[in-house]
Amino acid sequence: DTAVSQTPKYLVTQMGNDKSIKCEQNLGHDTMYWYKQDSKKFLKIMFSYNNKELIINETVPNRFSPKSPDKAHLNLHINSLELGDSAVYFCASSPTSGGTGELFFGEGSRLTVL
Amino acid sequence: ILNVEQSPQSLHVQEGDSTNFTCSFPSSNFYALHWYRWETAKSPEALFVMTLNGDEKKKGRISATLNTKEGYSYLYIKGSQPEDSATYLCAFNNQGGKLIFGQGTELSVKP
Repeated sequence: DTAVSQTPKYLVTQMGNDKSIKCEQNLGHDTMYWYKQDSKKFLKIMFSYNNKELIINETVPNRFSPKSPDKAHLNLHINSLELGDSAVYFCASSPTSGGTGELFFGEGSRLTVL
Repeated sequence: ILNVEQSPQSLHVQEGDSTNFTCSFPSSNFYALHWYRWETAKSPEALFVMTLNGDEKKKGRISATLNTKEGYSYLYIKGSQPEDSATYLCAFNNQGGKLIFGQGTELSVKP
């Protein structure tokens, strides 16, 4: 069983479309994150949820909207996709929200916007 | 702006060599320092989480030290093996609950 799973792994779409990436963790963690790997391969935090509540919201365009239906799931919805949104998006979970617990990452979802 | 810098960016060593690399981070408002190992086509995996100045942690041939007063952490690999080839990431947490990642050190170990 994969601890943190993301779907889809690959997504190719046209500019202007709306798409979602789903994330599920079976570790019983309260905290989940979305990270974006930028063109320089840095992992940059986008959002963090603790027990379904948003606790970190970085400077991310409003076109990006996270949704956490329960603490095991954190989905990322992106409206009106732009070329610059092409990246690998990583979901992660942690047993704590304060940053002292290690992160468990999903395998990443590679989004390509044409 | 919080910067986490890792050096070197890449490193090529022979099997059996011992090696080390550095993570530099802001020394104020320190809360935690993480190290992750990231193999190609896989996801990052945690090696260590360190919270106290002077912490030393070890996992097999890999160990790490932490100096929060001067803002650096070292990762050591003793007797490198080809399977150690990966990108090693450090990440700093300044009490905001937000991990800031460095760009990583890419290690290649040749047999």
